[in-house]
Amino acid sequence: GAGVSQSPSNKVTEKGKDVELRCDPISGHTALYWYRQSLGQGLEFLIYFQGNSAPDKSGLPSDRFSAERTGGSVSTLTIQRTQQEDSAVYLCASSYAYEQYFGPGTRLTVT
Amino acid sequence: GDSVTQMEGPVTLSEEAFLTINCTYTATGYPSLFWYVQYPGEGLQLLLKATKADDKGSNKGFEATYRKETTSFHLEKGSVQVSDSAVYFCALMDSSYKLIFGSGTRLLVRP
Repeated sequence: GAGVSQSPSNKVTEKGKDVELRCDPISGHTALYWYRQSLGQGLEFLIYFQGNSAPDKSGLPSDRFSAERTGGSVSTLTIQRTQQEDSAVYLCASSYAYEQYFGPGTRLTVT
Repeated sequence: GDSVTQMEGPVTLSEEAFLTINCTYTATGYPSLFWYVQYPGEGLQLLLKATKADDKGSNKGFEATYRKETTSFHLEKGSVQVSDSAVYFCALMDSSYKLIFGSGTRLLVRP
């Protein structure tokens, strides 16, 4: 079946602009995660949605970052007023049980 | 807090050599443990997992055993191939169901 998909695959934006990154999880997966992969910080957790529960936002690095998940499926990660340190690959994963399956990521470059 | 420590790379081996990538963890309780692999230009793929002590995860000739006594989950393969060249990440699932990753180990296999 279809895996986790993310769009866009690449995004170049100017410092100070807002960006939206999209994730389509595997159908039937109740949990959805966002992670960030950067050279300096490695792979780090950002936010976690599980069903209708309040999301775990403990990994968001600042209040410029937010995410929502509509209808228990698609998720959007929004970064406001982007900074150069936001440049990274943003990974989405979905899960039904223990195993998390990752999408191909969105490479964000802030110039 | 929980953490994962991996051996630093790169690890360079000749084809058919034996591979070991060390991974140790610090966590409360007994978390589920994972190895993910990232091939060049691709996303993270789950390679294998173990959910309790003494479990052995295996896939594609790779193995790792959950050792609670040494808090380790070392990755091994008896005979590596050029196609195994990739970055390997050890990870644990914490009590909040998010993955905590090691820094990754790059493996380069030469013909």
